[in-house]
Amino acid sequence: DTAVSQTPKYLVTQMGNDKSIKCEQNLGHDTMYWYKQDSKKFLKIMFSYNNKELIINETVPNRFSPKSPDKAHLNLHINSLELGDSAVYFCASSQDRRAGGSTDTQYFGPGTRLTVL
Amino acid sequence: QQQVKQSPQSLIVQKGGISIINCAYENTAFDYFPWYQQFPGKGPALLIAIRPDVSEKKEGRFTISFNKSAKQFSLHIMDSQPGDSATYFCAAKRGGSNYKLTFGKGTLLTVNP
Repeated sequence: DTAVSQTPKYLVTQMGNDKSIKCEQNLGHDTMYWYKQDSKKFLKIMFSYNNKELIINETVPNRFSPKSPDKAHLNLHINSLELGDSAVYFCASSQDRRAGGSTDTQYFGPGTRLTVL
Repeated sequence: QQQVKQSPQSLIVQKGGISIINCAYENTAFDYFPWYQQFPGKGPALLIAIRPDVSEKKEGRFTISFNKSAKQFSLHIMDSQPGDSATYFCAAKRGGSNYKLTFGKGTLLTVNP
């Protein structure tokens, strides 16, 4: 069973297009994240949702809009794609320690490689 | 401002040797220090983690050494194997879902046979 899954795995698109990446976790966690990993492998958080509520919003262009329809899903929609958006995007989830989780362990999905031409 | 500094950027070790990766942090409010391992084409996966109430944690061939006063922690991989070749990230976080996991820039480890 896949704990954190993302679709699609690869996404190739033209500049200016709008695209979405989907993420689902079956771990029962209440917190989900989106990370961006650039070409130098640097991992940077973009957003975090706890129980469908946005709790972390790093300095990300407003062309990026996360949407959490329920606790198990966190999708990322990107408008007007730019060349600099090319990266690998990772979804992750964790159980908040205050909510009874034993650790802050974040479980990552397999990633979506976005290439903007 | 880079809150977690990781070194070296890359490391080459012979099979059977010891791999050592170092990290330093600035925020004294951090209370959770994980190491993640990432293979090419895969997502990062938790390898081992420590909290500041202990100075060392060992799991198999992997050990974290933690120095609270120096605000440093390191990953030691004993008897390094070619299968350990991957990118390793240290990270740090305050407790609670309102706080983000801050990653170091990663170390590419290559273990030669």
